[in-house]
Amino acid sequence: DSGVTQTPKHLITATGQRVTLRCSPRSGDLSVYWYQQSLDQGLQFLIQYYNGEERAKGNILERFSAQQFPDLHSELNLSSLELGDSALYFCASSPQDRGSGNTIYFGEGSWLTVV
Amino acid sequence: DAKTTQPPSMDCAEGRAANLPCNHSTISGNEYVYWYRQIHSQGPQYIIHGLKNNETNEMASLIITEDRKSSTLILPHATLRDTAVYYCIVRPLAGGGNKLTFGTGTQLKVEL
Repeated sequence: DSGVTQTPKHLITATGQRVTLRCSPRSGDLSVYWYQQSLDQGLQFLIQYYNGEERAKGNILERFSAQQFPDLHSELNLSSLELGDSALYFCASSPQDRGSGNTIYFGEGSWLTVV
Repeated sequence: DAKTTQPPSMDCAEGRAANLPCNHSTISGNEYVYWYRQIHSQGPQYIIHGLKNNETNEMASLIITEDRKSSTLILPHATLRDTAVYYCIVRPLAGGGNKLTFGTGTQLKVEL
């Protein structure tokens, strides 16, 4: 158990809908990262937040957005869903945003199926 | 970020040492080598990381060559539960948001 908690574990929704994935980082961790893993793309970095502020952005679609709240939990919002958005979405956390001891730990993921 | 090259797959007999190589010939001085693994569809699991010295923890050993252009992850006594995709990642520790960039990794299969 990494200490990173993601909900829901599984989600099935229809095209065009909107969903929210939630992540609670490890206790004390200030950075949160979101990754997407689909069969044909591997693990893709989406976005990072550090202490409530966006720190880095990867291949995140405009239909997707994220935020980190004052209590440090994070949410990833996916809207106007398409079949191709079906994937495993991982949240990860680390103590800081840089440094040699800033190991990143991953949650168990949220399976999203768009039908 | 420096790119890494890993063999797509490897096999290992249970109880034997598994030696997983990684080439990172363009690594720069402020970049660490990290290893993660992913057991089928579970979250990636941190294994070990290092800069230039060899490192060992309860899971594995990491051997980095003197020129830092390659490294080897060693699982000393592989078990069936070590079957996973192993990712070698070179990670800058300043700038770029400190993210991990995953490649395609090595699928390690441990067999009886």
